[in-house]
Amino acid sequence: SQQGEEDPQALSIQEGENATMNCSYKTSINNLQWYRQNSGRGLVHLILIRSNEREKHSGRLRVTLDTSKKSSSLLITASRAADTASYFCATDPFYFTGANSKLTFGKGITLSVRP
Amino acid sequence: DGGITQSPKYLFRKEGQNVTLSCEQNLNHDAMYWYRQDPGQGLRLIYYSQIVNDFQKGDIAEGYSVSREKKESFPLTVTSAQKNPTAFYLCASSLPSTFDGYTFGSGTRLTVV
Repeated sequence: SQQGEEDPQALSIQEGENATMNCSYKTSINNLQWYRQNSGRGLVHLILIRSNEREKHSGRLRVTLDTSKKSSSLLITASRAADTASYFCATDPFYFTGANSKLTFGKGITLSVRP
Repeated sequence: DGGITQSPKYLFRKEGQNVTLSCEQNLNHDAMYWYRQDPGQGLRLIYYSQIVNDFQKGDIAEGYSVSREKKESFPLTVTSAQKNPTAFYLCASSLPSTFDGYTFGSGTRLTVV
C-alpha cells in the first residue's frame, strides 16, 4: 500500500524560480526520504529527514517535516533545466515491534523547469 | 565503483512465456527489492528479501517469483500467470536500516509482444 502522497502531481516553473513539492502520509514514521528519477532511469536518493528533525538542507535542497500534520515539503531553490525530473517521497513506517521496515513510495511529482 | 546492475535494459516477452530479469549488487547490502512502475501509479513492491535464502511477498506478488541464493543477486521471474506484465521494473538494495536510503538500478523495461 502507498502511504506517501505527493502534491501537486505536476509542476512547471521557469528556470531560476523555486520549486516546492509536498508529501503527506498517514502513519507514524521513522524517517522520510526524497528521491529523484530522470525519465527512463532508476531513482536516486536525495535527502533524508528523521522523525525528530524539522528541517534539513543539502545544497539547493531544503526539506521540512511536520509530524503533527504528517506532511513534508521539498524546496529546490534557483531551479535549473537539469532539475527536470520526477520526485518521489518515501516513508519508513514506525513499528513498535522494532522489525526491519521497508520504504513506501508515493506516486511522484513531475517537475518541468523551462529554460 | 559499487553499484547495482539490472539487465537487460529492454526485454520483450511473448504471450505465455516466462522471462527472468537480472539484478546484481556489489554494495554488500543485505536487503534487496523489486518494484514495478506503471505510468501514474508510482512504485509498487513486488518482492523483497532481507537476508539470503529468504524473501517475502510485496503488494503485487501474483504472477512473479524470485530467488535469493546469493547476497549479491536477486533475480525476478515474470511468469505467464502475470496477465499484464508490460511495465518498468526497478531493483533496489539497502542496508538493514533504511537510514542510508535505497540504491536503485537503472531499470528494465518489459514489453509483451
